[in-house]
Amino acid sequence: GAGVSQSPSNKVTEKGKDVELRCDPISGHTALYWYRQSLGQGLEFLIYFQGNSAPDKSGLPSDRFSAERTGGSVSTLTIQRTQQEDSAVYLCASCLRGPYNEQFFGPGTRLTVL
Amino acid sequence: KNEVEQSPQNLTAQEGEFITINCSYSVGISALHWLQQHPGGGIVSLFMLSSGKKKHGRLIATINIQEKHSSLHITASHPRDSAVYICAVRSGNTDKLIFGTGTRLQVFP
Repeated sequence: GAGVSQSPSNKVTEKGKDVELRCDPISGHTALYWYRQSLGQGLEFLIYFQGNSAPDKSGLPSDRFSAERTGGSVSTLTIQRTQQEDSAVYLCASCLRGPYNEQFFGPGTRLTVL
Repeated sequence: KNEVEQSPQNLTAQEGEFITINCSYSVGISALHWLQQHPGGGIVSLFMLSSGKKKHGRLIATINIQEKHSSLHITASHPRDSAVYICAVRSGNTDKLIFGTGTRLQVFP
């Protein structure tokens, strides 16, 4: 596809369960970002990948959150032992490396933790 | 104090009005984005600026690097412009985005 895709589009889970969110960036985009938008809150940065490495994980809210990227392409964000405060829309964006390259956003995954 | 401040938080306009949304930031940046988010929809990048002014259709974005301020203008506003407009700055050596809290715009016919 031409754009950034994310799956699933919606995920409802029970508190304490683990979830995996997937991001397929635009082909050739080496930089990949995960952001989160909580209800009533603004967007916040979670983690940045350049290729398969993550030089900036400073936005991950706790050690229950982890992410990986394989083959310089698909990325997975994993939340272990989900809590209600994890409910949010998780957005992925990708771009070519460099400060003057536009970031393209995926449609997001809406996570609801009951 | 947030690193990126937007004003106003909410804005209501009549169709045809000229609209201005302001963004101020306090960190060093490499570029500034204006993003649009429709209810239930994804995020679309409207502009990316590092200096001066850009225009696309009825939308105009300006940035003053010295004053650390940017504005988004919408001329001849239309109900389909109703959305949340978000200012975001690219900062640091990873170019991650730091977001403002958004401006919710409603344009009535």
